[in-house]
Amino acid sequence: DTEVTQTPKHLVMGMTNKKSLKCEQHMGHRAMYWYKQKAKKPPELMFVYSYEKLSINESVPSRFSPECPNSSLLNLHLHALQPEDSALYLCASSRSGAEGPYQPQHFGDGTRLSIL
Amino acid sequence: KNQVEQSPQSLIILEGKNCTLQCNYTVSPFSNLRWYKQDTGRGPVSLTIMTFSENTKSNGRYTATLDADTKQSSLHITASQLSDSASYICVVSLNRYNNNDMRFGAGTRLTVKP
Repeated sequence: DTEVTQTPKHLVMGMTNKKSLKCEQHMGHRAMYWYKQKAKKPPELMFVYSYEKLSINESVPSRFSPECPNSSLLNLHLHALQPEDSALYLCASSRSGAEGPYQPQHFGDGTRLSIL
Repeated sequence: KNQVEQSPQSLIILEGKNCTLQCNYTVSPFSNLRWYKQDTGRGPVSLTIMTFSENTKSNGRYTATLDADTKQSSLHITASQLSDSASYICVVSLNRYNNNDMRFGAGTRLTVKP
Protein backbone atom coordinates (compact mmCIF):
# COMPACT_ATOMS: atom_id res chain seq x y z
CA ASP A 1 0.00 0.00 0.00
CA THR A 2 1.18 3.48 -0.82
CA GLU A 3 2.10 5.74 2.11
CA VAL A 4 0.70 8.78 0.31
CA THR A 5 -3.09 8.61 0.16
CA GLN A 6 -5.04 10.48 -2.48
CA THR A 7 -8.81 10.91 -2.62
CA PRO A 8 -10.94 10.52 -4.55
CA LYS A 9 -9.45 7.86 -6.85
CA HIS A 10 -11.73 8.95 -9.70
CA LEU A 11 -13.56 12.22 -10.32
CA VAL A 12 -15.86 13.27 -13.12
CA MET A 13 -16.90 16.89 -13.18
CA GLY A 14 -18.44 19.45 -15.46
CA MET A 15 -16.66 22.57 -16.56
CA THR A 16 -18.66 24.75 -14.18
CA ASN A 17 -18.16 22.59 -11.10
CA LYS A 18 -15.93 23.22 -8.11
CA LYS A 19 -14.20 20.23 -6.59
CA SER A 20 -11.11 19.46 -4.53
CA LEU A 21 -8.47 16.75 -4.60
CA LYS A 22 -6.96 15.66 -1.32
CA CYS A 23 -3.54 14.21 -0.49
CA GLU A 24 -2.38 13.00 2.90
CA GLN A 25 0.90 11.60 4.24
CA HIS A 26 2.02 10.73 7.75
CA MET A 27 5.71 10.16 7.11
CA GLY A 28 6.72 13.55 8.52
CA HIS A 29 7.70 14.81 5.08
CA ARG A 30 7.89 18.58 4.80
CA ALA A 31 7.96 18.80 0.99
CA MET A 32 4.83 18.01 -1.00
CA TYR A 33 4.16 18.15 -4.73
CA TRP A 34 1.35 18.11 -7.26
CA TYR A 35 1.96 16.59 -10.69
CA LYS A 36 -0.26 16.24 -13.76
CA GLN A 37 0.17 13.16 -15.94
CA LYS A 38 -1.47 12.66 -19.32
CA ALA A 39 -1.80 9.18 -20.78
CA LYS A 40 1.52 7.62 -21.80
CA LYS A 41 3.41 10.77 -20.82
CA PRO A 42 5.71 11.46 -17.86
CA PRO A 43 4.44 13.48 -14.88
CA GLU A 44 4.63 17.28 -15.16
CA LEU A 45 5.33 19.29 -12.02
CA MET A 46 2.60 21.76 -11.07
CA PHE A 47 3.25 22.95 -7.51
CA VAL A 48 5.75 22.42 -4.71
CA TYR A 49 5.16 23.13 -1.05
CA SER A 50 8.05 23.30 1.39
CA TYR A 51 7.25 23.59 5.10
CA GLU A 52 3.64 24.39 4.19
CA LYS A 53 4.63 27.34 2.00
CA LEU A 54 4.23 27.41 -1.77
CA SER A 55 7.72 27.45 -3.25
CA ILE A 56 7.10 26.52 -6.88
CA ASN A 57 4.20 27.31 -9.21
CA GLU A 58 5.04 26.06 -12.69
CA SER A 59 2.90 28.68 -14.44
CA VAL A 60 -0.24 26.67 -13.74
CA PRO A 61 -3.57 28.32 -14.72
CA SER A 62 -5.47 29.92 -11.84
CA ARG A 63 -8.32 27.44 -12.22
CA PHE A 64 -6.02 25.15 -10.19
CA SER A 65 -5.55 26.41 -6.64
CA PRO A 66 -3.31 24.51 -4.22
CA GLU A 67 -3.54 24.63 -0.46
CA CYS A 68 -1.41 23.13 2.29
CA PRO A 69 -3.38 23.49 5.54
CA ASN A 70 -0.85 21.50 7.60
CA SER A 71 2.28 19.43 7.21
CA SER A 72 0.35 16.23 6.44
CA LEU A 73 -2.27 17.51 4.05
CA LEU A 74 -2.23 18.94 0.56
CA ASN A 75 -5.30 19.98 -1.40
CA LEU A 76 -5.85 20.98 -5.01
CA HIS A 77 -8.97 23.05 -5.56
CA LEU A 78 -10.46 22.89 -9.04
CA HIS A 79 -12.80 25.42 -10.65
CA ALA A 80 -13.95 25.99 -14.22
CA LEU A 81 -11.70 23.31 -15.66
CA GLN A 82 -11.38 22.59 -19.38
CA PRO A 83 -11.60 19.20 -21.12
CA GLU A 84 -7.82 19.28 -21.69
CA ASP A 85 -7.37 19.22 -17.91
CA SER A 86 -8.50 15.60 -17.89
CA ALA A 87 -5.52 13.64 -16.59
CA LEU A 88 -4.11 11.68 -13.66
CA TYR A 89 -3.19 14.05 -10.84
CA LEU A 90 -0.40 12.72 -8.67
CA CYS A 91 0.64 13.89 -5.25
CA ALA A 92 4.12 13.18 -3.90
CA SER A 93 6.03 13.92 -0.73
CA SER A 94 9.63 13.79 0.40
CA ARG A 95 11.89 14.81 3.25
CA SER A 96 13.23 18.30 2.79
CA GLY A 97 16.76 19.04 1.64
CA ALA A 98 17.51 20.32 5.12
CA GLU A 99 17.43 16.68 6.24
CA GLY A 100 20.04 15.64 3.71
CA PRO A 101 20.51 15.37 -0.04
CA TYR A 102 18.99 13.00 -2.56
CA GLN A 103 15.65 12.53 -0.86
CA PRO A 104 13.39 10.11 -2.76
CA GLN A 105 9.85 11.10 -3.61
CA HIS A 106 6.92 8.97 -2.49
CA PHE A 107 3.96 9.14 -4.84
CA GLY A 108 0.30 8.49 -4.24
CA ASP A 109 -1.74 6.49 -6.73
CA GLY A 110 -3.35 9.60 -8.12
CA THR A 111 -6.81 10.92 -8.85
CA ARG A 112 -8.11 10.15 -12.33
CA LEU A 113 -9.91 13.35 -13.36
CA SER A 114 -12.33 13.56 -16.27
CA ILE A 115 -13.81 16.88 -17.36
CA LEU A 116 -17.06 16.68 -19.31
CA LYS B 1 13.74 17.98 -27.61
CA ASN B 2 13.47 16.10 -24.33
CA GLN B 3 16.61 16.23 -22.26
CA VAL B 4 16.04 12.66 -21.08
CA GLU B 5 15.59 10.04 -23.79
CA GLN B 6 14.58 6.49 -22.99
CA SER B 7 14.72 3.44 -25.22
CA PRO B 8 13.05 1.35 -26.27
CA GLN B 9 9.59 2.94 -26.03
CA SER B 10 8.11 -0.48 -25.40
CA LEU B 11 9.43 -3.98 -24.87
CA ILE B 12 7.85 -7.42 -24.65
CA ILE B 13 9.76 -10.28 -23.04
CA LEU B 14 8.99 -13.75 -21.77
CA GLU B 15 8.79 -14.47 -18.07
CA GLY B 16 12.14 -15.47 -16.64
CA LYS B 17 14.18 -13.57 -19.23
CA ASN B 18 16.45 -10.63 -18.51
CA CYS B 19 16.17 -7.21 -20.11
CA THR B 20 17.93 -3.86 -20.15
CA LEU B 21 16.34 -0.45 -20.49
CA GLN B 22 18.33 2.57 -21.59
CA CYS B 23 18.32 6.23 -20.57
CA ASN B 24 20.44 8.94 -22.20
CA TYR B 25 20.38 12.48 -20.91
CA THR B 26 21.74 15.89 -21.80
CA VAL B 27 20.62 17.59 -18.59
CA SER B 28 23.13 19.91 -16.95
CA PRO B 29 24.04 20.46 -14.20
CA PHE B 30 23.59 16.86 -13.13
CA SER B 31 22.96 15.94 -9.51
CA ASN B 32 21.42 12.49 -9.47
CA LEU B 33 19.52 10.02 -11.61
CA ARG B 34 16.48 8.02 -10.52
CA TRP B 35 14.60 5.08 -11.90
CA TYR B 36 10.91 4.68 -11.09
CA LYS B 37 8.48 1.85 -11.76
CA GLN B 38 4.90 2.85 -12.53
CA ASP B 39 2.21 0.21 -12.68
CA THR B 40 -0.86 1.03 -14.76
CA GLY B 41 -3.19 3.28 -12.77
CA ARG B 42 -0.73 3.66 -9.91
CA GLY B 43 1.81 6.26 -8.87
CA PRO B 44 5.54 5.86 -9.59
CA VAL B 45 7.61 3.92 -7.09
CA SER B 46 11.29 4.72 -6.59
CA LEU B 47 13.67 1.90 -7.54
CA THR B 48 17.11 3.52 -7.32
CA ILE B 49 18.80 6.89 -6.87
CA MET B 50 22.38 7.31 -8.12
CA THR B 51 24.67 10.27 -7.65
CA PHE B 52 27.52 11.40 -9.85
CA SER B 53 30.04 9.19 -8.07
CA GLU B 54 27.99 5.98 -8.15
CA ASN B 55 28.12 3.75 -11.18
CA THR B 56 25.89 0.90 -10.06
CA LYS B 57 23.09 0.35 -7.59
CA SER B 58 20.87 -2.66 -7.03
CA ASN B 59 17.39 -3.13 -5.63
CA GLY B 60 16.53 -6.81 -5.65
CA ARG B 61 16.32 -7.99 -9.25
CA TYR B 62 16.78 -4.42 -10.51
CA THR B 63 20.29 -3.12 -11.17
CA ALA B 64 20.89 0.40 -12.41
CA THR B 65 24.14 1.62 -13.91
CA LEU B 66 25.32 5.15 -14.53
CA ASP B 67 28.10 6.52 -16.72
CA ALA B 68 28.19 10.22 -15.93
CA ASP B 69 30.89 10.83 -18.53
CA THR B 70 28.76 9.58 -21.43
CA LYS B 71 25.51 10.62 -19.70
CA GLN B 72 24.00 7.19 -19.99
CA SER B 73 22.15 4.98 -17.56
CA SER B 74 20.63 1.56 -17.83
CA LEU B 75 18.21 -0.50 -15.77
CA HIS B 76 18.76 -4.24 -15.90
CA ILE B 77 15.97 -6.55 -14.79
CA THR B 78 16.98 -10.11 -13.97
CA ALA B 79 14.72 -13.16 -14.15
CA SER B 80 11.66 -11.12 -15.06
CA GLN B 81 8.29 -11.78 -13.45
CA LEU B 82 4.78 -10.99 -14.64
CA SER B 83 4.60 -8.30 -11.95
CA ASP B 84 7.47 -6.46 -13.66
CA SER B 85 5.01 -5.39 -16.37
CA ALA B 86 4.94 -1.62 -15.92
CA SER B 87 6.36 1.63 -17.23
CA TYR B 88 9.91 2.43 -16.14
CA ILE B 89 10.73 6.10 -15.93
CA CYS B 90 14.21 7.64 -15.83
CA VAL B 91 14.44 10.98 -14.02
CA VAL B 92 17.43 13.31 -13.81
CA SER B 93 17.56 15.78 -10.95
CA LEU B 94 19.47 19.04 -11.19
CA ASN B 95 19.58 19.74 -7.48
CA ARG B 96 20.76 17.53 -4.66
CA TYR B 97 18.81 19.33 -1.95
CA ASN B 98 15.36 19.52 -3.45
CA ASN B 99 13.16 17.73 -5.94
CA ASN B 100 11.92 20.90 -7.57
CA ASP B 101 13.94 20.67 -10.76
CA MET B 102 13.78 17.26 -12.38
CA ARG B 103 13.61 16.11 -15.97
CA PHE B 104 11.47 13.06 -16.68
CA GLY B 105 11.94 10.64 -19.53
CA ALA B 106 8.92 9.44 -21.45
CA GLY B 107 9.32 5.94 -20.02
CA THR B 108 9.70 2.41 -21.37
CA ARG B 109 6.58 0.26 -21.30
CA LEU B 110 7.62 -3.29 -20.36
CA THR B 111 5.30 -6.25 -20.84
CA VAL B 112 6.29 -9.61 -19.41
CA LYS B 113 4.38 -12.53 -20.91
CA PRO B 114 4.03 -16.04 -19.49
